[in-house]
Amino acid sequence: EIVMTQSPATLSVSPGERAALSCRASQSVSSNLAWYQQKPGQAPRLLIYGASSRATGIPARFSGSGSGTELTLTISSLQSEDFAVYYCQQYNSWPYTFGQGTKLEIK
Amino acid sequence: EVQLVQSGAEVKKPGESLKISCKGSGYSFTSYWIGWVRQMPGKGLEWMGSIYPGDTDTRYSPSFQGQVTISADKSISTAYLQWSGLKATDSAIYYCARRYTNMGFFDYWGQGTLVTVSS
Repeated sequence: EIVMTQSPATLSVSPGERAALSCRASQSVSSNLAWYQQKPGQAPRLLIYGASSRATGIPARFSGSGSGTELTLTISSLQSEDFAVYYCQQYNSWPYTFGQGTKLEIK
Repeated sequence: EVQLVQSGAEVKKPGESLKISCKGSGYSFTSYWIGWVRQMPGKGLEWMGSIYPGDTDTRYSPSFQGQVTISADKSISTAYLQWSGLKATDSAIYYCARRYTNMGFFDYWGQGTLVTVSS
């Protein structure tokens, strides 16, 4: 099973600033990685797939990069609605696995 | 419009059985895998398993193999997650989600079903 480790657990950033969230895999996932956003009381929402492709309707301020074992989600200029929990998920091999999440909070 | 609509919240006692559902609409239900994801209170997401309604091919995470059963009825575009003997540790929100074509990420999610197991 591939273990996904996200860091940091919590990230405090001011609105308008840039945030970089890290996801590390215990073995290569190639580019078979997705990022999701989850707000309290809501289901997760797909942001990024294929490590760097934005899902339909996702603003350009969200970008994904990396491949292999080191992947990053960057939010270029944080808006109030971006403060949430973010999860990475590998789908390179069964069983699919998620990271434990990064909580992005307002500084 | 693609939609996954899940059954409502459940309160059960330990040892009881339960089957929750996920009804798909707005797309060809038999052509996409449906996955189930657990979220325990205050915790992260865990993939439990997935089913392909077209031929009922099913895959389970080793962590959930033997603990739950995933099934589907393509005639009514509905997937199911069931337990035969609930435990308090099964208390969680369960999401169904559609897997995007031949890739393993989930592009549409149900609203979640809260399952509470308590004596």
